[in-house]
Amino acid sequence: EDKVVQSPLSLVVHEGDTVTLNCSYEVTNFRSLLWYKQEKKAPTFLFMLTSSGIEKKSGRLSSILDKKELFSILNITATQTGDSAVYLCAPAMNYGGATNKLIFGTGTLLAVQP
Amino acid sequence: ETGVTQTPRHLVMGMTNKKSLKCEQHLGHNAMYWYKQSAKKPLELMFVYNFKEQTENNSVPSRFSPECPNSSHLFLHLHTLQPEDSALYLCASSQEPSGIASTDTQYFGPGTRLTVL
Repeated sequence: EDKVVQSPLSLVVHEGDTVTLNCSYEVTNFRSLLWYKQEKKAPTFLFMLTSSGIEKKSGRLSSILDKKELFSILNITATQTGDSAVYLCAPAMNYGGATNKLIFGTGTLLAVQP
Repeated sequence: ETGVTQTPRHLVMGMTNKKSLKCEQHLGHNAMYWYKQSAKKPLELMFVYNFKEQTENNSVPSRFSPECPNSSHLFLHLHTLQPEDSALYLCASSQEPSGIASTDTQYFGPGTRLTVL
């Protein structure tokens, strides 16, 4: 059965802290792994990772994938209150002749206090 | 973000009502998705349309009926829902063809918050 586990489930930090969010997965026909940020409604796309060991960066956020150990991490440095959100990890898989299929974790709820 | 729009944003309906959710994407994509997000549960894929053809329904109850008249529009018709169907319903789109990892990114709409009384 396809499975995605994110940890921690929730996290409270202060502005300026650095956080690491974890995602482990067991997915058949793995293709890529995506990270999303969900504040109130729509998940917004952060990163897509396809290759092991290659870090992707966007400002204070970075992410890396380990396809051998089946996990990914999302790092946020110098956190700000605007980083408060649920962070979702979603491996993408081939699904027969269909389009890609994303398997979502339950997310990590990050709260950044001033 | 206006790439994917959804209406209505909020909907309250009784168990005997019939209503429809609408999704429109302005990204030129050719695949569209319906997801359900219940409290404290992961997003659950409900339906996938690829080039207007339904390719996945993921064992969704028949009280949910999707319609995809063209690659830009997606509907979810609702009838005789149950209170446990109350959730956030999210629409997403992506660019296929399938099999190319670089197209895996799905872009989400703001969702419809549905409450069934």
